[in-house]
Amino acid sequence: EDQVTQSPEALRLQEGESSSLNCSYTVSGLRGLFWYRQDPGKGPEFLFTLYSAGEEKEKERLKATLTKKESFLHITAPKPEDSATYLCAVQEVGGGSNYKLTFGKGTLLTVNP
Amino acid sequence: SQTIHQWPATLVQPVGSPLSLECTVEGTSNPNLYWYRQAAGRGLQLLFYSVGIGQISSEVPQNLSASRPQDRQFILSSKKLLLSDSGFYLCAWDRGLRDEQYFGPGTRLTVT
Repeated sequence: EDQVTQSPEALRLQEGESSSLNCSYTVSGLRGLFWYRQDPGKGPEFLFTLYSAGEEKEKERLKATLTKKESFLHITAPKPEDSATYLCAVQEVGGGSNYKLTFGKGTLLTVNP
Repeated sequence: SQTIHQWPATLVQPVGSPLSLECTVEGTSNPNLYWYRQAAGRGLQLLFYSVGIGQISSEVPQNLSASRPQDRQFILSSKKLLLSDSGFYLCAWDRGLRDEQYFGPGTRLTVT
């Protein structure tokens, strides 16, 4: 069973059409949840870290929120340059690999002009 | 500011050949270093991580190995590549627990 599940796998929006991406996780204790943006052929770019339920972070048109079971990445009035794959990752408390980030498979976002 | 470099950017190698990928970080000291592999349709998979010179932890049994000969240098190696080793290899660093990881530009490896 995957610890981190992202949905939808792909999302196509018109410019200005707001929407949300979902990241659900199943870990016994969450140390942190991370959002990244990845452009084709490039390394992931860090966006946000969330540590506790109720926390929110914002950056330009993006806002990330966290509950005890999932995180949402809200995209308000997206532009074509927001097109990318958005990755979610969790870091779990305890276990043998304290530093390990477990990634979801990502959501491919396409914003049409 | 901190910068992370990876080379080569792309690599095409025949099955059975050796591999050496290099990663270096600038602008910080004693970082934690990581090697990930990203295969098509799959999430990033952690291969190795290192919390200091000569300290390597392996996450996935495979024919790959890692070494950290200097504080800010991380090397991924193989003696004999398999077809299944093809993928996008990413190096990352962070300062410690609960800290975000920063990724390099990646190496696209194709094993033929």
